[in-house]
Amino acid sequence: ETGVTQSPTHLIKTRGQQVTLRCSSQSGHNTVSWYQQALGQGPQFIFQYYREEENGRGNFPPRFSGLQFPNYSSELNVNALELDDSALYLCASSSSLRYEQYFGPGTRLTVT
Amino acid sequence: DQQVKQNSPSLSVQEGRISILNCDYTNSMFDYFLWYKKYPAEGPTFLISISSIKDKNEDGRFTVFLNKSAKHLSLHIVPSQPGDSAVYFCAATRGGADGLTFGKGTHLIIQP
Repeated sequence: ETGVTQSPTHLIKTRGQQVTLRCSSQSGHNTVSWYQQALGQGPQFIFQYYREEENGRGNFPPRFSGLQFPNYSSELNVNALELDDSALYLCASSSSLRYEQYFGPGTRLTVT
Repeated sequence: DQQVKQNSPSLSVQEGRISILNCDYTNSMFDYFLWYKKYPAEGPTFLISISSIKDKNEDGRFTVFLNKSAKHLSLHIVPSQPGDSAVYFCAATRGGADGLTFGKGTHLIIQP
């Protein structure tokens, strides 16, 4: 059974730029969620995708957007990057039948 | 407004003894609770969960207790082992497309 994978591992961007982060779900999972973890904080829910549509969203502005593909992989896009967007971005996959979510290793984004 | 609180940033326990990690929540709509463990440079790993209709769930060395009237849950690890040293996150959800709401984490250190 393949776990959740994310790419890239690390990324450095400049304020105002756009970034795309990628995630492959664990096999058998049809739901993917994205979280932002700032230093010293717990992960914060950004949004969730099911059947290629966003079906849940946390308190994040529209410049955070995503996609889910037919193979259940996913992308997180962030436009107009701000310094506060510097964080660890975590992808989690799950089955729509269960509450437990399984996380990837994350992408460390630094905005300068 | 922090809906899930872990009030101990760190906890030090001797190897072989019991580790007790605590978590409080404010949202009475939360239906399911989970504990995750996180090592540096890795994503959170799911440990154990409990539904709001139960008050206890056991899995090997890990037991989670839920007190709904007090809006409090705890994770017991017996016996504590050196590999248990990590940051532990408490999370809660209303289910569906709600995402997980995390606490800030407790850094557990197991002393030899």
